[in-house]
This record gives sequence, structure tokens and C-alpha cells, in this order.
Amino acid sequence: GENVEQHPSTLSVQEGDSAVIKCTYSDSASNYFPWYKQELGKGPQLIIDIRSNVGEKKDQRIAVTLNKTAKHFSLHITETQPEDSAVYFCAASLPNTGNQFYFGTGTSLTVIP
Amino acid sequence: DAGVIQSPRHEVTEMGQEVTLRCKPISGHNSLFWYRQTMMRGLELLIYFNNNVPIDDSGMPEDRFSAKMPNASFSTLKIQPSEPRDSAVYFCASSRVRGPSSPLHFGNGTRLTVT
Repeated sequence: GENVEQHPSTLSVQEGDSAVIKCTYSDSASNYFPWYKQELGKGPQLIIDIRSNVGEKKDQRIAVTLNKTAKHFSLHITETQPEDSAVYFCAASLPNTGNQFYFGTGTSLTVIP
Repeated sequence: DAGVIQSPRHEVTEMGQEVTLRCKPISGHNSLFWYRQTMMRGLELLIYFNNNVPIDDSGMPEDRFSAKMPNASFSTLKIQPSEPRDSAVYFCASSRVRGPSSPLHFGNGTRLTVT
């Protein structure tokens, strides 16, 4: 099966700085990579996703990049705000697996005002 | 759209008792997933259903765990008998699968404490 590794496990940044979270995957057949944000007491919420036929996707202050050759993908948050503080999970999905996802272990992001 | 609805939000029970967690997926979604989240093991997939049929239950820890999906709008996860090591947050998620992978939509979870 697929194995997804995520780094760092914790990240603290000053408000206004950028934050980058990185994930690697093992199975080159994976073709869909969502990112989730989990706030305290809530379930993970999708914030951005990317498919394997795209190298980069942006949505306001959030962007995701994908390097298929190296099998890694990254989440970039610019101009961080205190409300960005949460746990972020990356995930990878293989085709023809019934929409099964393999999750990273999470990154706890703290934005210091 | 009300999102995925889970109940109860919190459950405290004594070891040996039966626990039933409930989930209502998003209308129109045809896949449903049960996950368990702990600090030590992160998000673990327990079981998932496609069109109400269990597809993969290899993540169910033991025979004490069972899950059903009697119709497209309801699923249960049952633990009988419960043990302290079952304490965790249990999430239900649903998605609409048509060809390419689709994102999961999670509920807000049930925090289970077994004493």
C-alpha cells in the first residue's frame, strides 16, 4: 500500500510569515493529493487539493505544489494569521481503490501574533 | 448542505459496555468511511462502504468492532464490549465517487472515553 510521510510535526511562525509543510509518498501511482485543516474539536476540513496532472494550485493565501518525479508535495501558506493555527494533514489516493486515502501524521501549526 | 452528522459528540462509558456511534453522510454521497484518531496512531481507517456495501474492513481492530450501513443515509459503528484502549475520537466521512478520486467530507467526530 501507500505510505505518506509528513514534516514537520510542529511548526511555529510569526504572524505574517509563510509556513511550508512537506509530504512524501511511496507509490508513484497515487494521483490525488488533498490537504486538510483540523481545528480543535472539529473534523478535518478540506482546504485545497491537487491532481497528478497539475504541478501547482493556488487559492488565495494557500498553494500546493506537486513533484511527481520526487514523489513529494507541499502546502504553502503565505501571510499567516492566528486563525491559521490548526493541525494540517496531507493525504494521497491511489486510483481504483474506492477512494481510499492514506494520511500523513499531521503538522501542528501555531501562528504567533 | 448540513454536512456529515455524527452522534453523540461525546460518549463516556464503562469498560464492558456496548457503544454505538452513528453517522449520517451527505445526501448523494455513495461512499462512507469510519476513521479513528489518537495521538499515538493518528488517523486510522477502520472500514469503508461503497453503495452501502462494506468493501474493506481490514482496519477494524478486533471482532469487538462492527459496522453497518443499512441504507444510504445512515451508518453505525458498534463496539461490544468496550475497553479503555478504545478511547479515541471516531470520525465518519463521506464522498461521492465517480471515476477520479473525490475529497472526503468529515463529520465533527465522537469523542469516546472508556473508563
